[in-house]
Amino acid sequence: NAGVTQTPKFQVLKTGQSMTLQCAQDMNHNSMYWYRQDPGMGLRLIYYSASEGTTDKGEVPNGYNVSRLNKREFSLRLESAAPSQTSVYFCASSEAGQGRGEQYFGPGTRLTVT
Amino acid sequence: GENVEQHPSTLSVQEGDSAVIKCTYSDSASNYFPWYKQELGKGSQLIIDIRSNVGEKKDQRIAVTLNKTAKHFSLHITETQPEDSAVYFCAASNQAGTALIFGKGTTLSVSS
Repeated sequence: NAGVTQTPKFQVLKTGQSMTLQCAQDMNHNSMYWYRQDPGMGLRLIYYSASEGTTDKGEVPNGYNVSRLNKREFSLRLESAAPSQTSVYFCASSEAGQGRGEQYFGPGTRLTVT
Repeated sequence: GENVEQHPSTLSVQEGDSAVIKCTYSDSASNYFPWYKQELGKGSQLIIDIRSNVGEKKDQRIAVTLNKTAKHFSLHITETQPEDSAVYFCAASNQAGTALIFGKGTTLSVSS
């Protein structure tokens, strides 16, 4: 039981490049989330998916797109990376909705945009 | 919208001492308050949570208290150990359970 896995662990992009962050969970959870974590800012929700086939914007969605590929996988895409998107990105999943129970976090992807 | 303030941002204690981290929230309809621990280079892990119908919850050396009237909740760690060193995040949900807002985190350092 691997829990929540994320790839890659580290990535450096040039401004304007695109990339997709991958996330998968093996706990059969309905809900999945993407957060970004910046120094002194805590965790901020980018997008979430309450169930397979649905996605919704969180607090800071601009510059990102997501895809809930199936129940296991939830990807985050940066179409044209900007230095302001330099951050650590965490994927999480939960059995119930975001505010109802435990969320399980992946190990994070550290992204630097130059 | 909901706002969660967390204090202090950094906390240094000696091994064996107690540590207290406090959070306040703005939405009186919030009903779920989890605490997460993030160790260096890892994702956050739930360590304890409390719901609005309970005033206090304990799990070994960790306890959380909730004061709904004052809209604040606190994490208490007793007999701290070096392995307690980490970043701790509080969070609060809205009543509908559709959003979880995190505090900005507290870096706890326990020295032996």
